[in-house]
Amino acid sequence: QVRLVESGGGAVQPGKSLRLSCVASGFTFSSNGMHWVRQAPGKGLEWVAVIWYDGSNKYYADSVKGRFTISRDNSKNTLYLQMNSLRVEDTAMYYCARVYGYSYGYFDYWGQGTLVTVSS
Amino acid sequence: DIQMTQSPSTLSASVGDRVTITCRASQNINIWLAWYQQKPGKGPKLLIYKASTLERGVPTRFSGSGSGTEFTLTISSLQPDDIATYYCQQYNSYSATFGQGTKVEIK
Repeated sequence: QVRLVESGGGAVQPGKSLRLSCVASGFTFSSNGMHWVRQAPGKGLEWVAVIWYDGSNKYYADSVKGRFTISRDNSKNTLYLQMNSLRVEDTAMYYCARVYGYSYGYFDYWGQGTLVTVSS
Repeated sequence: DIQMTQSPSTLSASVGDRVTITCRASQNINIWLAWYQQKPGKGPKLLIYKASTLERGVPTRFSGSGSGTEFTLTISSLQPDDIATYYCQQYNSYSATFGQGTKVEIK
């Protein structure tokens, strides 16, 4: 069965960095596009970034462009989100989600999320 | 960027009621729309994709319709297990925007 497990969240001060990981299992990781989606406490879902199945294309929400970097290691079945220059408004639960397909599309599987708290 | 406007934000209905949630796109997205259900403390779960295709294992009381800019999610007979927040999402472009969510409560 498909499983996505996020890790790496925690409490950090504004301006600091954090790297999130998402380990995938139960499917051929290198065949699917992957996204990061976040959800601030009590708020709705916000798309963060997408990476194509082979890492050839990456796109970001304007709110994180230039600060966050999405990457993947298909040999390790792992998706990453490097978050630099963190802001208070980046506080959220971060989910990785699998795309049905090799690039972008709808999300057929989601992880349980990892919580990032940015506070001084 | 494509904006998604979902309504209502909160919905209170009785068990057995027919419930409808609306999602409007700021531009034509054809049928590239999905619906998700999210329960507290959990990641979202896919219900419907391509506007009207039911994901495997999802109860048939859920249905979706629409194309272009207007879409609806219908629960034909609300059940206690359907208490959750529902989101629409467009995937016409790589930036996957979501509606604001509709919280469904039991009256």
